[in-house]
Amino acid sequence: KAGVTQTPRYLIKTRGQQVTLSCSPISGHRSVSWYQQTPGQGLQFLFEYFSETQRNKGNFPGRFSGRQFSNSRSEMNVSTLELGDSALYLCASSYITGVKTQYFGPGTRLLVL
Amino acid sequence: GENVEQHPSTLSVQEGDSAVIKCTYSDSASNYFPWYKQELGKGPQLIIDIRSNVGEKKDQRIAVTLNKTAKHFSLHITETQPEDSAVYFCAASNFGNEKLTFGTGTRLTIIP
Repeated sequence: KAGVTQTPRYLIKTRGQQVTLSCSPISGHRSVSWYQQTPGQGLQFLFEYFSETQRNKGNFPGRFSGRQFSNSRSEMNVSTLELGDSALYLCASSYITGVKTQYFGPGTRLLVL
Repeated sequence: GENVEQHPSTLSVQEGDSAVIKCTYSDSASNYFPWYKQELGKGPQLIIDIRSNVGEKKDQRIAVTLNKTAKHFSLHITETQPEDSAVYFCAASNFGNEKLTFGTGTRLTIIP
């Protein structure tokens, strides 16, 4: 069974731009969570989607948003990029929400110049 | 909210020896504790997890112990091998909440 896939793997943007990252969960998994990983702050929860609904949200500004499609694929968007948004963005999927056994993708490394 | 502390931040052990990484959590409602291994350029890989109704779980060379009273859990790796070198993260979450709160990570180096 294929794992979690994320596209693109690497991205370079400039301040003020916006970016959209994509995540395809493991087949049959319906819950998708997003995390930001930085050397300074570590791994931080962004939000979780299940059945196209955001069920939980971390402490990030409104510039960070996401959505989930009917096939469980998810996208996250960051608007008005700041230098501090440079990070590895990780997507994790689980079979259903509340089960909590989450499997991570390889991440999208975003560099903001 | 939940806070997870992880120690040590770096750990070097001789190949064949054991490695122990410890985490403490603050929220008594937390009931799920996974451990992830992250290699360079890759996403975190789940290696073992434990739920609060169990005190210990073992999978070959890897074991996790949980002390709910003291709010701490530990990862034990025995007979370490060079391929065990990586960054290890502990995490905690509570029932009905998909959010994982992670520790700050332990860089484990196995010395051949």
